[in-house]
Amino acid sequence: GAVVSQHPSWVICKSGTSVKIECRSLDFQATTMFWYRQFPKQSLMLMATSNEGSKATYEQGVEKDKFLINHASLTLSTLTVTSAHPEDSSFYICSALAGGPNNEQFFGPGTRLTVL
Amino acid sequence: SQQGEEDPQALSIQEGENATMNCSYKTSINNLQWYRQNSGRGLVHLILIRSNEREKHSGRLRVTLDTSKKSSSLLITASRAADTASYFCATALSGTYKYIFGTGTRLKVLA
Repeated sequence: GAVVSQHPSWVICKSGTSVKIECRSLDFQATTMFWYRQFPKQSLMLMATSNEGSKATYEQGVEKDKFLINHASLTLSTLTVTSAHPEDSSFYICSALAGGPNNEQFFGPGTRLTVL
Repeated sequence: SQQGEEDPQALSIQEGENATMNCSYKTSINNLQWYRQNSGRGLVHLILIRSNEREKHSGRLRVTLDTSKKSSSLLITASRAADTASYFCATALSGTYKYIFGTGTRLKVLA
């Protein structure tokens, strides 16, 4: 299957700082990527849809000014958590839409963010 | 709100037994997928079943889909300790590419 990478795999930061997480499709182009957040022992919650060359679409309740998404190329989407606070500590997972008959998505390995 | 509800929330069985997890969803879908997630790790894709399919097999996995009841089940036969993980269903809503995940089932297989 296609490969999606995330960087970094984990990050610890101080409250008030901003953190950027990268999501890359390594062997295919993805005009659409998705960002999910997962709190401990909970399921994945879709945060936003990242569209190459246009603005991201955010799910209800997700602050677009807090979670900045940039999809500048067909293989890279970035999520920046601005002015991070301890409640933003979570596991962030991206996926990239490979298209095809099943509109299959391939998931990255996730980034664990801890805000002190 | 999340699309899928899974039950049971947690399941503990002995190695060699079968494990069945159920997923219910609310609206029309294009397809439904099952994923496994080991603690603190990323997702592993297990199987995809299209809305016009009723059953699918992959190794020790058997997935059924009943669109009239808006439900799916995942059966793992002859379970192993390595099957210990959380299992999620994810549905692609008709007309969209967005996947909505169920609440998940935490499976523990005791050796």
